[in-house]
Amino acid sequence: GESVGLHLPTLSVQEGDNSIINCAYSNSASDYFIWYKQESGKGPQFIIDIRSNMDKRQGQRVTVLLNKTVKHLSLQIAATQPGDSAVYFCAERQGSGYSTLTFGKGTMLLVSP
Amino acid sequence: GAVVSQHPSRVICKSGTSVKIECRSLDFQATTMFWYRQFPKQSLMLMATSNEGSKATYEQGVEKDKFLINHASLTLSTLTVTSAHPEDSSFYICSAATGDTNSPLHFGNGTRLTVT
Repeated sequence: GESVGLHLPTLSVQEGDNSIINCAYSNSASDYFIWYKQESGKGPQFIIDIRSNMDKRQGQRVTVLLNKTVKHLSLQIAATQPGDSAVYFCAERQGSGYSTLTFGKGTMLLVSP
Repeated sequence: GAVVSQHPSRVICKSGTSVKIECRSLDFQATTMFWYRQFPKQSLMLMATSNEGSKATYEQGVEKDKFLINHASLTLSTLTVTSAHPEDSSFYICSAATGDTNSPLHFGNGTRLTVT
């Protein structure tokens, strides 16, 4: 969903379920995408990245899917655990080198035991 | 690897005073560091890009005289909030580039600034 005002979209799941967090990015020229996890009071933690020449990449319990046609990115978390509860941000990089990242609005994931 | 340390994690100061926040890359050299600001329930907003040995590049709308950035070495960048006001209260986060442009940015754990 889209964020409205100061309210983060929230995804609530049960422990053990699979979670899918979505992100729409803005620039068709972006070539590099990253998912970050941010726990309360902490900085963003790298989860997984993907380049624009790929459409899928898998990590441990996580999969990122990239659909360049519709400028859409998703993060799939398998067997979600309470420790996965956090805010998840997608970020896109526009250009090469040390070009800065642009962060999406974020999605709060709440995992119930 | 690629650990970024930020200090302090939390600071409270009075209006009109200045506060310095440090960002260190612990196990790598960072020619470029970035400073972000984050308000509650919002995303990270880039404030400035800090390059070792040169002046920082500030994003539009960020006052360079208020947010002083110094990147004097390859492992340390500092952000000084000068003449702080309550509206400067926020969560400030730094990140550092490892030198491999194909790698993600790594972030510090942020500094919660409260100006009273």
